[in-house]
Amino acid sequence: EVQLVESGGGLVQPGSSLKLSCVASGFTFTNYHMHWIRQAPKKGLEWIGMIYYDGGHTYYTDSVKGRFTISRDNSKNILYLEMNSLRSDDTAMYYCARWASVMDVWGQGTSVTVSS
Amino acid sequence: DIVMTQSPTSMSISVGDRVTMNCKASQNVGSNVDWYQQKTGQSPKLLIYKASNRFTGVPDRFTGSRSGTDFTFTITNMQAEDLAGYYCMQSNSYPFTFGSGTKLEIK
Repeated sequence: EVQLVESGGGLVQPGSSLKLSCVASGFTFTNYHMHWIRQAPKKGLEWIGMIYYDGGHTYYTDSVKGRFTISRDNSKNILYLEMNSLRSDDTAMYYCARWASVMDVWGQGTSVTVSS
Repeated sequence: DIVMTQSPTSMSISVGDRVTMNCKASQNVGSNVDWYQQKTGQSPKLLIYKASNRFTGVPDRFTGSRSGTDFTFTITNMQAEDLAGYYCMQSNSYPFTFGSGTKLEIK
């Protein structure tokens, strides 16, 4: 079964760091670019960024540039989102998604709450 | 960045209704617009890709179309299980951007 499973979310204080993981299974991970998307409580979807299949290129939305880093370990089939200098407006459900010219597979999400 | 202006924000509908929602791109995105459905407590699911193509297994009551920078998503014969939020997204250029969403509610 093709599956993406996120983990690593939790409650953190403003200014702190957190690293999310997305474990892929059921498909050849190295063939696909991957995306991170988030959704603040009762809000819409926001694209965060993406990474090429080989990790060679990354793109980010402006609000996270310089604070968030997307990486991947193709030997372990894991996608990462490292988040630094977290702010209250980073509070959201974070999803990873596979890119096959569309986001055709999504994970169930992991929740991040930034609060003192 | 490309802005996807989605309307309406919400709709009160009845089972059997025809539902139409729109996204307007702030600049040319070609046909690189997809539509996603998100039910409460679930992750989004792809319904329509490249403006007008139904994804695998999506019922034919869901359709999409494009006219220039205007994109329309339609549900004909609305079913109870279609109650959800719907989002357009442009994938023509980075950063990808979503519309603000349309929430369907029962009248």
